[in-house]
Amino acid sequence: EAGVTQFPSHSVIEKGQTVTLRCDPISGHDNLYWYRRVMGKEIKFLLHFVKESKQDESGMPNNRFLAERTGGTYSTLKVQPAELEDSGVYFCASSWDPGTQYFGPGTRLTVL
Amino acid sequence: AQSVTQPDIHITVSEGASLELRCNYSYGATPYLFWYVQSPGQGLQLLLKYFSGDTLVQGIKGFEAEFKRSQSSFNLRKPSVHWSDAAEYFCAVGGNDYKLSFGAGTTVTVRA
Repeated sequence: EAGVTQFPSHSVIEKGQTVTLRCDPISGHDNLYWYRRVMGKEIKFLLHFVKESKQDESGMPNNRFLAERTGGTYSTLKVQPAELEDSGVYFCASSWDPGTQYFGPGTRLTVL
Repeated sequence: AQSVTQPDIHITVSEGASLELRCNYSYGATPYLFWYVQSPGQGLQLLLKYFSGDTLVQGIKGFEAEFKRSQSSFNLRKPSVHWSDAAEYFCAVGGNDYKLSFGAGTTVTVRA
């Protein structure tokens, strides 16, 4: 069974540009999460989807971040426009229930 | 509010020696507790989890953890460390709200 996949693995962009990160969850997992780790800090929750609906987006930093999950399958996280402080590793996770979240390899975003 | 403290930022241990990583949590209800590991260039891998029942839980790669409610702790242990255990380890707490809170991580270096 395939795990959670994320694309791209690395992204380097200029300040002010737009970047879109993609996450493909484990097949059959209705719950999908985004987390972020900024350099030197803890991994922080961003938001939670149940199928295509946003269940909890309390961790989204501001309105430059937009997450979607069309059709309840894969999800995208768009940052527009990107700022320097958005640099970090963005993790996606999925789960069947609240118990166990399986994480992807992460996308390392560098904003110059 | 839920939170996790990992007091040790970095631990160095000799190969074959025992390892213990500390984790203290704060959570208002019965917690779900997790340990994840991130090896260099890899994503977060679940080592073990505690939901209820036996307070000593066994995980993959020879790791175990003990839940102590009176101390709000969930320390991770391994009797004999292998060079491949060099990685960053994260303790996390969650509950029925699906949101995980992570500690800052402990980096383990294994010396020959």
